[in-house]
Amino acid sequence: EAGVAQSPRYKIIEKRQSVAFWCNPISGHATLYWYQQILGQGPKLLIQFQNNGVVDDSQLPKDRFSAERLKGVDSTLKIQPAKLEDSAVYLCASSFGQLNTEAFFGQGTRLTVV
Amino acid sequence: AQKITQTQPGMFVQEKEAVTLDCTYDTSDQSYGLFWYKQPSSGEMIFLIYQGSYDEQNATEGRYSLNFQKARKSANLVISASQLGDSAMYFCAMRGGRDSKLIFGQGTTLQVKP
Repeated sequence: EAGVAQSPRYKIIEKRQSVAFWCNPISGHATLYWYQQILGQGPKLLIQFQNNGVVDDSQLPKDRFSAERLKGVDSTLKIQPAKLEDSAVYLCASSFGQLNTEAFFGQGTRLTVV
Repeated sequence: AQKITQTQPGMFVQEKEAVTLDCTYDTSDQSYGLFWYKQPSSGEMIFLIYQGSYDEQNATEGRYSLNFQKARKSANLVISASQLGDSAMYFCAMRGGRDSKLIFGQGTTLQVKP
């Protein structure tokens, strides 16, 4: 079974530029999560999708971050414009969504804003 | 609101000894799930063990066991017979609520000494 795929693995951009991350979840997983993980900290949930609908985006900085999950499969997370404090690893995860099912994570995208 | 707290930023353990990583949580939900993940320096998130809020027995998976004390709202991870490869960051996570939001604690860095 293929895992959660993310691209790119690494990205370096200048502040005020824009960037997009892509995630392909495990087939059949209805729930998709995007997390921001700053070095040495725990993952912070940015947005959660159930199929193609948003169920939680309370911690997404909506003035600069946006995300979509077209057709309930792939998802993209965009930052525009980027700030220095956005430097982090962006993790995508997917699951069947029930309480007792674990989430599977992709390898993450390491973003450096200079 | 849900919250996960891990109060030990760093822990040391001697190889072959057992170690307990602490996790407390806060939720008003009656039904929820608790998870532990391991994150080695490579950055991948590896699922270790799951405990459901209605499970009467503590979960075990090989050398991992979860010491679940519902009344105290704690879900400590016990690793028996520590190995050098156990050196990593460990995260406690909880899924609950109507939206099955999955949130993480701050993590504990475990170093196993030879």
